[in-house]
Amino acid sequence: DAKTTQPNSMESNEEEPVHLPCNHSTISGTDYIHWYRQLPSQGPEYVIHGLTSNVNNRMASLAIAEDRKSSTLILHRATLRDAAVYYCILKNSGGSNYKLTFGKGTLLTVNP
Amino acid sequence: DTEVTQTPKHLVMGMTNKKSLKCEQHMGHRAMYWYKQKAKKPPELMFVYSYEKLSINESVPSRFSPECPNSSLLNLHLHALQPEDSALYLCASSPPDGANQPQHFGDGTRLSIL
Repeated sequence: DAKTTQPNSMESNEEEPVHLPCNHSTISGTDYIHWYRQLPSQGPEYVIHGLTSNVNNRMASLAIAEDRKSSTLILHRATLRDAAVYYCILKNSGGSNYKLTFGKGTLLTVNP
Repeated sequence: DTEVTQTPKHLVMGMTNKKSLKCEQHMGHRAMYWYKQKAKKPPELMFVYSYEKLSINESVPSRFSPECPNSSLLNLHLHALQPEDSALYLCASSPPDGANQPQHFGDGTRLSIL
């Protein structure tokens, strides 16, 4: 599986935008970019995913670089509830398309 | 509240005990998963069931025995576990077209082996 690289930790202030980067220089053309987050004492929660185009949903936006070698998860207005570990994961549409291989993720701290 | 329900939330067992973890979903998903998560580490895939058949076993020791009795239920039978098996066990489900579908996770069973 193609690997992703994320900063170990980031800090933000409440009500400010947060940009969480992810590098995936070995991404293949059939890899989807998925983002999950895990709040303390909870299971991972799906945030957003995309293939080539930028994506928006009620939780976040996903900006994908034109060469697809990096992406950025954007939280438009951070709240205290957004403090979590954020995982950027590549999912291939080939034979192992069920597998989610989690990296270390980015621990996001939100300051009041 | 999550749409994937795991029971029990906490389990303490001895190394000679036999216990089972249960997972249930009613979203009509035909793929179900078991993950193991050690403290301060990311989740690691253990098993995948697709249409009630085991499709992936990530070389998990035989003291962990999964079972998928129907499309809504997933069990993980535990026997003769070791202290290093203490972890959070997470269940997830998704539609069978894996790459373009999110997985929905339960909040896990926190297992402690004495």
